[in-house]
Amino acid sequence: DVKVTQSSRYLVKRTGEKVFLECVQDMDHENMFWYRQDPGLGLRLIYFSYDVKMKEKGDIPEGYSVSREKKERFSLILESASTNQTSMYLCASSLPYRRDPLRYNSPLHFGNGTRLTVT
Amino acid sequence: EDKVVQSPLSLVVHEGDTVTLNCSYEVTNFRSLLWYKQEKKAPTFLFMLTSSGIEKKSGRLSSILDKKELFSILNITATQTGDSAIYLCAVEVLTNFGNEKLTFGTGTRLTIIP
Repeated sequence: DVKVTQSSRYLVKRTGEKVFLECVQDMDHENMFWYRQDPGLGLRLIYFSYDVKMKEKGDIPEGYSVSREKKERFSLILESASTNQTSMYLCASSLPYRRDPLRYNSPLHFGNGTRLTVT
Repeated sequence: EDKVVQSPLSLVVHEGDTVTLNCSYEVTNFRSLLWYKQEKKAPTFLFMLTSSGIEKKSGRLSSILDKKELFSILNITATQTGDSAIYLCAVEVLTNFGNEKLTFGTGTRLTIIP
């Protein structure tokens, strides 16, 4: 079974702090994603990465950056946390289409989420 | 900009009722449409749809895609309290760099009353 592990389940930080959210997957997936989930807004894509040191902006990248130094690890960084970044953050990973075109399994495997509160 | 819209936003029904959840989309480079169920933690995968008109079924849940009208429905028959969850629709698209990403809708919160 694919395992996607997020380092913290709950996190409380102060405004202005630098925050690191870590995500590790154990299935050699090239693609990794960071989403945030807010009531009434669904899951919104922040950043994603399709290989080591590669990254693409998602729909709401402002205020965030990412790091992908190793294939299994994808970090989300809040350079200076603000209260409007209080949210549930979900990490996910997948094989690229070229390696799994029939998609017998879910194309996206999620971690359990990190609930971040910025005060 | 890719867009996925789900309706209704929330739904409350009695146990035993049948429900239909809707998902419409406007995206470029469509690959597939997916349905997920989310209870307390991470979303769990239900269906992936790539072709129009072919129903996917799993127990009391079924789903179908219409690529001409750009929508999908998720049906749940004989609902049970365990079906209470947020149901997420997502569309997988190909990016300009030749990679894939999923765009999610806002979700439908389904509540089943015993």
